[in-house]
Amino acid sequence: QSALTQPASVSGSPGQSITISCTGTSSDVGDYNYVSWYQQHPGKAPKLIIYDVSKWPSGVSNRFSGSKSGNTASLTISGLQAEDEADYYCSSYTSSNTWVFGGGTELTVL
Amino acid sequence: EVQLVESGGGLVQPGRSLRLSCTASGFTFGDYAMSWVRQAPGKGLEWVGFIRSKAYGGTTQYAASVKGRFTISRDDSKSIAYLQMNSLKTEDTAVYYCTRVGPYGGHLDTTFDYWGQGTLVTVSS
Repeated sequence: QSALTQPASVSGSPGQSITISCTGTSSDVGDYNYVSWYQQHPGKAPKLIIYDVSKWPSGVSNRFSGSKSGNTASLTISGLQAEDEADYYCSSYTSSNTWVFGGGTELTVL
Repeated sequence: EVQLVESGGGLVQPGRSLRLSCTASGFTFGDYAMSWVRQAPGKGLEWVGFIRSKAYGGTTQYAASVKGRFTISRDDSKSIAYLQMNSLKTEDTAVYYCTRVGPYGGHLDTTFDYWGQGTLVTVSS
């Protein structure tokens, strides 16, 4: 199972919106609405911020939103804040009853 | 409050074995599948494997990179999940995270909703 494809880095200024893409195949992202997004600050464990493509776990800001079209899922962060600077990973459940992660995207808040 | 605490990491020589433990609290452990995810130094996340709850057979699935070498098990009476790692290779060096597969406690669980702090495994001679 190949990793999902994410851009290596994105950047934005405070208050702006950014979008991170996550491209898979018809055996993972395209086949299920089971895409999740995780935020990871340096030296910390990942934290779930979006699941089932667009659902929020309890306590997560609605500045984070998710969507999917075909084999590509997207995470949008609106009203960018300095604390959003982190690495972001997508993952998808697959037709093989396994999971696959994206390579990760480093977000820089300018 | 859900808590997952990994233990058992350390330095091990190539070809040797190591067992990691994940002690859970704050939820009904037996109702949930549990998974392991690893992260090599400076790299991204890699799914390792998972174990279903007993209600769904307690069966396991593994990533191709560890299949046949790693085994996940669980002791619901102690709320502990284990990762037995055999025939370790230098490329298995990583922080290993224990995760709960949620969020519903049933067959629609497909996300890693809680993570432990991770334990570092270094495979080196």
